[in-house]
Amino acid sequence: SQQGEEDPQALSIQEGENATMNCSYKTSINNLQWYRQNSGRGLVHLILIRSNEREKHSGRLRVTLDTSKKSSSLLITASRAADTASYFCATDGTGAGSYQLTFGKGTKLSVIP
Amino acid sequence: SQTIHQWPATLVQPVGSPLSLECTVEGTSNPNLYWYRQAAGRGLQLLFYSVGIGQISSEVPQNLSASRPQDRQFILSSKKLLLSDSGFYLCAFSLVHTEAFFGQGTRLTVV
Repeated sequence: SQQGEEDPQALSIQEGENATMNCSYKTSINNLQWYRQNSGRGLVHLILIRSNEREKHSGRLRVTLDTSKKSSSLLITASRAADTASYFCATDGTGAGSYQLTFGKGTKLSVIP
Repeated sequence: SQTIHQWPATLVQPVGSPLSLECTVEGTSNPNLYWYRQAAGRGLQLLFYSVGIGQISSEVPQNLSASRPQDRQFILSSKKLLLSDSGFYLCAFSLVHTEAFFGQGTRLTVV
């Protein structure tokens, strides 16, 4: 099954800086999603971008999608200490694989006050 | 509103004992249901998913099984736990090609 792969695996920045995380995937998708996970908790959905979209914004979040490169990026602007968490991309496939929602290994973001 | 309940939050079980984790969804019908396992500091491994009652797809051959006896109920089971079954188990639901909603997870420790 396909799987997104995030990079970097870990990222440490100062409060107020921007954080950029990248995700690559292997096969055709219907959409790509980004999730956040605080330590020991369930995942929370952040943003969904469809395969025919190139960019999407939600508050301080900006997601881009390049289907030709099979990659996406998540930008968090003006980061805050509360943004410290792990961030995952997830993809669902097309055809027979369209119900599988598979995740990458995540990027662990630390925002230093 | 749509909600998902997963329990228990933590569980300590001896090797060789059975397992039953339950997940229920409220506020929607015919959801896609998922069980994931997350090793410490790692990503999510898709274990099972279901698109309807009695329809279970397994992603990884293992010591676990899943069942969907009702539309909004998803159960993860094992007849005999192994040490390697320890981990953080997450249940989730989604509608077709939409965002997924996750339960709070079950921390399983097999001793």
